[in-house]
Amino acid sequence: NAGVMQNPRHLVRRRGQEARLRCSPMKGHSHVYWYRQLPEEGLKFMVYLQKENIIDESGMPKERFSAEFPKEGPSILRIQQVVRGDSAAYFCASSPSRRGSDEQFFGPGTRLTVL
Amino acid sequence: QKEVEQNSGPLSVPEGAIASLNCTYSDRGSQSFFWYRQYSGKSPELIMFIYSNGDKEDGRFTAQLNKASQYVSLLIRDSQPSDSATYLCAVRYRDDKIIFGKGTRLHILP
Repeated sequence: NAGVMQNPRHLVRRRGQEARLRCSPMKGHSHVYWYRQLPEEGLKFMVYLQKENIIDESGMPKERFSAEFPKEGPSILRIQQVVRGDSAAYFCASSPSRRGSDEQFFGPGTRLTVL
Repeated sequence: QKEVEQNSGPLSVPEGAIASLNCTYSDRGSQSFFWYRQYSGKSPELIMFIYSNGDKEDGRFTAQLNKASQYVSLLIRDSQPSDSATYLCAVRYRDDKIIFGKGTRLHILP
């Protein structure tokens, strides 16, 4: 049973370009969470999705950032017109259900560098 | 404001001693509590979760929860150099959002 998969593992973009980060949850998991981590900082919640639904996007910046989790395929975190401040590690996590005690399993992360 | 507070450290503990990591949270209605370990440059990995008051033991790790004091801790017995990492406390709030603390850096001294 494969774990959470994220790709690419490293992504370099120039200012103004778009970044697309992909996350495939563990088999049987229908809940996906995206987090951002700056160096020496904790994980910052960005968005919580279920298949075809955004449940909570309160941690997403209002502009340039969007996320989706389609019926088929991976979850996508999209950053338009990237700026240097977007450089960070972006982690995806999945869980099987919404039960209160469910832990999240993390993918290896995508390290975004904006030049 | 949902908050999870941890001492950033670094916490230095001699090899073989007990390491004690602490975490406080702001919402009394919180349901579940998690400890993750994160090595530098790696993703967080779950060590333990707890949702009832009291202690929960798993090998060298013990999680302790006190909901009245809004306090959760992680004890690591017989600390090993491989335990050196950042430990993240996470709390699931009533709206299912999981909030992470900034983490405590633990350094086990050989």
